[in-house]
Amino acid sequence: TQLLEQSPQFLSIQEGENLTVYCNSSSVFSSLQWYRQEPGEGPVLLVTVVTGGEVKKLKRLTFQFGDARKDSSLHITAAQPGDTGLYLCAGGTASGGSYIPTFGRGTSLIVHP
Amino acid sequence: EAQVTQNPRYLITVTGKKLTVTCSQNMNHEYMSWYRQDPGLGLRQIYYSMNVEVTDKGDVPEGYKVSRKEKRNFPLILESPSPNQTSLYFCASRLSGYTEAFFGQGTRLTVV
Repeated sequence: TQLLEQSPQFLSIQEGENLTVYCNSSSVFSSLQWYRQEPGEGPVLLVTVVTGGEVKKLKRLTFQFGDARKDSSLHITAAQPGDTGLYLCAGGTASGGSYIPTFGRGTSLIVHP
Repeated sequence: EAQVTQNPRYLITVTGKKLTVTCSQNMNHEYMSWYRQDPGLGLRQIYYSMNVEVTDKGDVPEGYKVSRKEKRNFPLILESPSPNQTSLYFCASRLSGYTEAFFGQGTRLTVV
């Protein structure tokens, strides 16, 4: 099982601040996904990145996949209280015809009004 | 509406009393998985299934069983629950390995 390290584990910021969350591994991934989980709910997909160096934007969220496909980052510009939640990265590789991704431990973000 | 439905949402049980958590999806997905989520440990995969009658162990399968007799259903069975299985459980389905995982709303299990 590939190991995905997320940092920081916790982040508490004020509304309007910028932040970056990191997802790192020693393994090369076929693709990497970012999910957000709100309290009492299951994770919901934000984005999938598949190409090394790829950058995707989702409103104030910018996702980047490392050139070597071993790491990814999520940058939030001008954070809002609605961004509060647990951010999870998930990556995997194809093996024997199957692809079952592994999740990182998550970054818990709190944005104060 | 596309969804993954888990039942029950909350369950308190005693050590050793067999229980089943049901999971059903209405999206005709081939892949289904069970995860447990514990503070500081993130989402850990218990079992997964790539199709009917095809299941395999994830990272933490001890103490759990699953079955996949129909495409839409993937129940999680705890034959003899123990307190260390107290956790938040999620079922997920996806069309294929590389695609988006759709999660149920979770089952919070407490074993006393």
